[in-house]
Amino acid sequence: QVQLQESGPGLVKPSQTLSLTCTVSGASITSGRYYWDWIRQPAGKGLEWIGRIYTSGSTNYNPSLKSRVTISLDTSNNQFSLKMSSVTAADTAVYYCARVGRYFDPIGDGVDVWGQGITVTVSS
Amino acid sequence: EIVLTQSPGTLSLSPGERATLSCRASQSVSSNYLAWYQQKPGQAPRLLIYGASSRATGIPDRFSGSGSGTDFTFTVSRLEPEDFAVYYCHQYGTSPLTFGGGTKVEIK
Repeated sequence: QVQLQESGPGLVKPSQTLSLTCTVSGASITSGRYYWDWIRQPAGKGLEWIGRIYTSGSTNYNPSLKSRVTISLDTSNNQFSLKMSSVTAADTAVYYCARVGRYFDPIGDGVDVWGQGITVTVSS
Repeated sequence: EIVLTQSPGTLSLSPGERATLSCRASQSVSSNYLAWYQQKPGQAPRLLIYGASSRATGIPDRFSGSGSGTDFTFTVSRLEPEDFAVYYCHQYGTSPLTFGGGTKVEIK
């Protein structure tokens, strides 16, 4: 059974860098059958796609966040990570790591596995 | 970016009734790369439909999706008590990937 688990600080000060890690169990992050995404959700609001990392290590970011975001792979630990710099209160949200399956279409078949989410609050 | 507009914002229905949700895109969704998710309070979203009309693994056949281009529909044929939740549409064919604002299906 595939599981994704987010970890990292729940409180980050304004202007600092938010760093989260997603540990994947039950699937290899180097498998060509998957992409790996970060998605966030402010309390009571909708979902926002942050970005994606491919098994090659290449990335694709939401232009609205691109200047502040870095997603990377750690193949030795079967993890992928998110770094977001210069955070403000507007970055307060539940952050989800997620897997996109590529079973029928190379573009992907939707986010089929989600982490439980981690609440990150930006406050001094 | 492709903006997804979901309607209605809230749908008040009784168990056993049919729920019909709409998702309209600001431009054509590439190759019908549209998904629907269900989210309950305190939980991560769950994939129900991908490719506009394909049910994800283990999803009951009371859930269905249809549509193409810019207009998509999600239907729950007969609402079960566990179906009351928020539903999101999501286009994943054009970067940046985007989500609709959600439709809350509540018990009447």
